[in-house]
Amino acid sequence: AQRVTQPEKLLSVFKGAPVELKCNYSYSGSPELFWYVQYSRQRLQLLLRHISRESIKGFTADLNKGETSFHLKKPFAQEEDSAMYYCALPPGSNTDKLIFGTGTRLQVFP
Amino acid sequence: DAGITQSPRHKVTETGTPVTLRCHQTENHRYMYWYRQDPGHGLRLIHYSYGVKDTDKGEVSDGYSVSRSKTEDFLLTLESATSSQTSVYFCAISEWGASNTEAFFGQGTRLTVV
Repeated sequence: AQRVTQPEKLLSVFKGAPVELKCNYSYSGSPELFWYVQYSRQRLQLLLRHISRESIKGFTADLNKGETSFHLKKPFAQEEDSAMYYCALPPGSNTDKLIFGTGTRLQVFP
Repeated sequence: DAGITQSPRHKVTETGTPVTLRCHQTENHRYMYWYRQDPGHGLRLIHYSYGVKDTDKGEVSDGYSVSRSKTEDFLLTLESATSSQTSVYFCAISEWGASNTEAFFGQGTRLTVV
């Protein structure tokens, strides 16, 4: 079954520190994966998708099929990065479900 | 922002009453989803639709029903609201299979059951 696991509910860092938000997945086949971000009291919005291999707002994520991971990284956190981050697994060949992890709240202190 | 609107944005209702939340889109996307967002649980899928009159259950569908009689509207009904259904509800739309596809979210409906 498809599953996304985000082991950390809360990650607190100081401004300028590196950040890594963990995401592990369970999926049979070659997955696409997304990271969504939700700033305070706003709607969720796409941060990045692995297939485009882009960097958005300084964040990157690499799909590691061996470790079934898609960790989100940023070398120098900013206060405006404080938000909820969700890893997501979109529909695949045998399902139309869009599955999210439980989310990680990132707090960046000044 | 993608054309997706949820209504109402806020609602307080009494235990035992039926409640219907509406998700309206102007993007003609095939897929629509309802989630609830609760602290510690993230986003949990309630029901989803892959076309007009085509719906299926998610992981937390008990106590909820949905209908999709036309492409643009996806209704979520709490048949008899309970306090455990107090939550923030999000609708999402997508057109999977298109290039650079993603899911777009509504602004959410904050429901309080008293």
